[in-house]
Amino acid sequence: GDSVTQMEGPVTLSEEAFLTINCTYTATGYPSLFWYVQYPGEGLQLLLKATKADDKGSNKGFEATYRKETTSFHLEKGSVQVSDSAVYFCALRYNQGGKLIFGQGTELSVKP
Amino acid sequence: DAGVIQSPRHEVTEMGQEVTLRCKPISGHNSLFWYRQTMMRGLELLIYFNNNVPIDDSGMPEDRFSAKMPNASFSTLKIQPSEPRDSAVYFCASSLASTTDTQYFGPGTRLTVL
Repeated sequence: GDSVTQMEGPVTLSEEAFLTINCTYTATGYPSLFWYVQYPGEGLQLLLKATKADDKGSNKGFEATYRKETTSFHLEKGSVQVSDSAVYFCALRYNQGGKLIFGQGTELSVKP
Repeated sequence: DAGVIQSPRHEVTEMGQEVTLRCKPISGHNSLFWYRQTMMRGLELLIYFNNNVPIDDSGMPEDRFSAKMPNASFSTLKIQPSEPRDSAVYFCASSLASTTDTQYFGPGTRLTVL
């Protein structure tokens, strides 16, 4: 069945470091891909999305490219801030249905 | 806009008791989703509604769980009887349409069953 796998956390970085959180997926069709972020004590917020192969989603300095050949959607940011500390979820969804399938989440901790 | 509203934010109950979680979606949104988050299973969809009609309830774990959406502005998720393994954070989300639009999540209800 369809699934999403993320790199295990926690990921601990110093402020201004480069961030990569790996995400790969298994899908029978052609889903849209998403990154959501969850700050402590809050619900999930959409960070970025890509709806087809080679699309790049970007928001708040984060970006991810939909790579069909490697079935990946890695999240990157050039310079992280303390305020980026959160849990990041990769997810997929088919346009025919509303169900989001999430990865297990990766906790990011950024130290000053 | 107020966003998705969930109540209560925290619920502690004893095994065997009935638990009702409530959700008010964003006004004008036609789709509503219930998710459960646990350490063991991560985030998983329980059920979603489109125009108040349940579309996919394949994620509902067993008959102890039921969900209703009597109108466009209110939904409930009920667990009867509750068990310790139901302890989790339950999120409600809504979107304009189920198929393509962004899902907006509420703050969640943290349920603890003793």
